[in-house]
Amino acid sequence: GIQVEQSPPDLILQEGANSTLRCNFSDSVNNLQWFHQNPWGQLINLFYIPSGTKQNGRLSATTVATERYSLLYISSSQTTDSGVYFCAGLTQGGSEKLVFGKGTKLTVNP
Amino acid sequence: NAGVTQTPKFQVLKTGQSMTLQCAQDMNHNSMYWYRQDPGMGLRLIYYSASEGTTDKGEVPNGYNVSRLNKREFSLRLESAAPSQTSVYFCASIRGRYTGELFFGEGSRLTVL
Repeated sequence: GIQVEQSPPDLILQEGANSTLRCNFSDSVNNLQWFHQNPWGQLINLFYIPSGTKQNGRLSATTVATERYSLLYISSSQTTDSGVYFCAGLTQGGSEKLVFGKGTKLTVNP
Repeated sequence: NAGVTQTPKFQVLKTGQSMTLQCAQDMNHNSMYWYRQDPGMGLRLIYYSASEGTTDKGEVPNGYNVSRLNKREFSLRLESAAPSQTSVYFCASIRGRYTGELFFGEGSRLTVL
């Protein structure tokens, strides 16, 4: 079954709007992380968040490990927030693989 | 700290040529990964190495070989390049043992003509 699932697949916002991206993960996955891939292709670490809540400027993330989901909040979005947001986790028990969701493509219009 | 360093950043090959992508990390991480990303798609795991001396296949291993030379270095080799291997390749590392933050290299853009 799907180990890491992200929603929505696409999101279009006006500058200044807020948004929430969701990542559901299966029992065999842990150590959630969020990444931003900018339009130049670079993968940038946003949050390493196995559980709890973290904030960094306009971005924050919450992982509820017992309910197998993580949320990424973007407030007062800017055009530079555009790109693809990925969540990923480590598989547990046996081979240790990093599995990714398919990403949420965010477009922030001026 | 340089983090994760990949070379080369760009490469153009002809069908049938061989090449090796190099990856090195200076964070004393145990686990290293090679991914490919095709236009408009997510990341697909080619091979990974959970520790020095071990390697395992990922989702799309066909046409590739890997070598975990030591704890720092994890190379990806294309023995006979095909146009279907045109992609952006990312190396990544994590402290491992089922924990740790993942770090990516900047990517290597490979075109096979």
